[in-house]
Amino acid sequence: SAVISQKPSRDICQRGTSLTIQCQVDSQVTMMFWYRQQPGQSLTLIATANQGSEATYESGFVIDKFPISRPNLTFSTLTVSNMSPEDSSIYLCSVGTSGSNNEQFFGPGTRLTVL
Amino acid sequence: LAKTTQPISMDSYEGQEVNITCSHNNIATNDYITWYQQFPSQGPRFIIQGYKTKVTNEVASLFIPADRKSSTLSLPRVSLSDTAVYYCLVGDWAGGYNKLIFGAGTRLAVHP
Repeated sequence: SAVISQKPSRDICQRGTSLTIQCQVDSQVTMMFWYRQQPGQSLTLIATANQGSEATYESGFVIDKFPISRPNLTFSTLTVSNMSPEDSSIYLCSVGTSGSNNEQFFGPGTRLTVL
Repeated sequence: LAKTTQPISMDSYEGQEVNITCSHNNIATNDYITWYQQFPSQGPRFIIQGYKTKVTNEVASLFIPADRKSSTLSLPRVSLSDTAVYYCLVGDWAGGYNKLIFGAGTRLAVHP
């Protein structure tokens, strides 16, 4: 298993600013994922972050808007750049493990409100 | 990745068995069926995974017919704390390394 923490847990930001969300894992993991969940909706995958390589973004998400860092095997950051009210969402990170199931462990999420 | 279809919502009462069915007509030979549970203000949590027939753990059972075009998550004797959104996902097994594509999920409400 893996225990994941995220910072901040919530924030209220002004339009046009940027916010960096941190994801810390209690063990070394190969794969980390970033998701967005808008109010009342399902999760949408933003990107996959592997240590030592560029993140892989899903359709509709670009690096300029959501730059990701993965400096080591226990940490990643997601930045939401030049924010607009449409970016108001919960942002979650998850990690894959080498267990016997397709089990991923999710952080508690960062609730972002953009005014 | 195979598309999944689930009921948008379900209602139940404490002590009842709840069965949530998921359709995945285009499931591929190498695909596994995985269910996640999400409580309000929390990230999703893995419940169960299967490939065929029946899988049971301490939380739920998963029934998969021979054609694998659907699956049913069974929650025995639900309680109020089982109120959550349940997601059915289908994809290649890769030990947790595959990206997860979530569908709309089923919002289960358990009433007293």
